[in-house]
Amino acid sequence: GAVVSQHPSWVICKSGTSVKIECRSLDFQATTMFWYRQFPKQSLMLMATSNEGSKATYEQGVEKDKFLINHASLTLSTLTVTSAHPEDSSFYICSASRDSDQPQHFGDGTRLSIL
Amino acid sequence: ELKVEQNPLFLSMQEGKNYTIYCNYSTTSDRLYWYRQDPGKSLESLFVLLSNGAVKQEGRLMASLDTKARLSTLHITAAVHDLSATYFCAVGDDKIIFGKGTRLHILP
Repeated sequence: GAVVSQHPSWVICKSGTSVKIECRSLDFQATTMFWYRQFPKQSLMLMATSNEGSKATYEQGVEKDKFLINHASLTLSTLTVTSAHPEDSSFYICSASRDSDQPQHFGDGTRLSIL
Repeated sequence: ELKVEQNPLFLSMQEGKNYTIYCNYSTTSDRLYWYRQDPGKSLESLFVLLSNGAVKQEGRLMASLDTKARLSTLHITAAVHDLSATYFCAVGDDKIIFGKGTRLHILP
């Protein structure tokens, strides 16, 4: 149980394109999901907390207008990287947990490459 | 601000040896996680430690938590090559903060 699916797994696109990444909890409901960004050989950096039915909570330094988060249902959160540029290239990972006493389960990640 | 520090950041060791990875954190949050990440992959949950003195073991890995010292350890017993990966500790309640990770390379 506790499977988190992330799609797509790999995106290569031109600069200026907007890219949407989906994160789904397949066998449980997740009121809260999290979006992380990871650069090569570095740790995960929390970008934002996605709350079902309300606005996302962004970490300091993360541009809200650049990284749009929508949590439309208890099983789906989306991250849209708007007008992506090469510096946005990174590994994006989402996570969700059944409840606050359970570990976060991570999606397989999305490798985004902006040319 | 919550800080999570791991030590060492890189570890190369021979098969069959024992070693310990340390995780210090700066907040009173006592919920601590250990994750494994293989190259190019996402994270795999290893342990969740929720109380002082908690000890959990899975195979050759054992994790412990000392909330008074704000310290967790991940002990590797008789390492094998398959354990080569990056190990992260993370601390927090709803929102968790990750350490920088320990890249473990086990030589055959």
